[in-house]
Amino acid sequence: EAGVAQSPRYKIIEKRQSVAFWCNPISGHATLYWYQQILGQGPKLLIQFQNNGVVDDSQLPKDRFSAERLKGVDSTLKIQPAKLEDSAVYLCASSLSPSGSDEQYFGPGTRLTVT
Amino acid sequence: ILNVEQSPQSLHVQEGDSTNFTCSFPSSNFYALHWYRWETAKSPEALFVMTLNGDEKKKGRISATLNTKEGYSYLYIKGSQPEDSATYLCASHPKDSNYQLIWGAGTKLIIKP
Repeated sequence: EAGVAQSPRYKIIEKRQSVAFWCNPISGHATLYWYQQILGQGPKLLIQFQNNGVVDDSQLPKDRFSAERLKGVDSTLKIQPAKLEDSAVYLCASSLSPSGSDEQYFGPGTRLTVT
Repeated sequence: ILNVEQSPQSLHVQEGDSTNFTCSFPSSNFYALHWYRWETAKSPEALFVMTLNGDEKKKGRISATLNTKEGYSYLYIKGSQPEDSATYLCASHPKDSNYQLIWGAGTKLIIKP
């Protein structure tokens, strides 16, 4: 089975620029997650989708971050404008359901550097 | 805010030695505990999902135990190999977390040949 795909793998931008990340989850997985992982910290959930609806976006900085999951499959995460503190690895994951006993399958992540 | 703590932060182990590390989580309202392995330049990979107190799971040389009453889980690696070098993350899913996993900061394991 194909895994979770993410692109790009690496991105370097200047502060105040915009950037977008793309994620294609495992086929049939209804739940999709975007995480931000800053070095030395655990992953922080930014947004969780169930099909094409948002389940939890309480930690998404909505003044600069946006995400969508059109048609309940692929998803994009955008940052506009970027700040230095946005430098992190952005991980996309998917699972069959939002149940806490379902394991999450992760993509390779996008390492973002904001200069 | 519920915290998941992992210790130690990092660990150097000689190849062939066995090792273990700890994940502490809030014991109240517990639902599930996840362990993931994250190798450099690769995707985090699920190792175990555990729900029952006293549960013990094994995958090859790696095993994990769960104590939900006192709120901790141990991950054991027997006969460490260089390919075990990775960051090991645990995450707790409380019953009332509205679907969100609470993640620890990870234990970085380095196996010395």
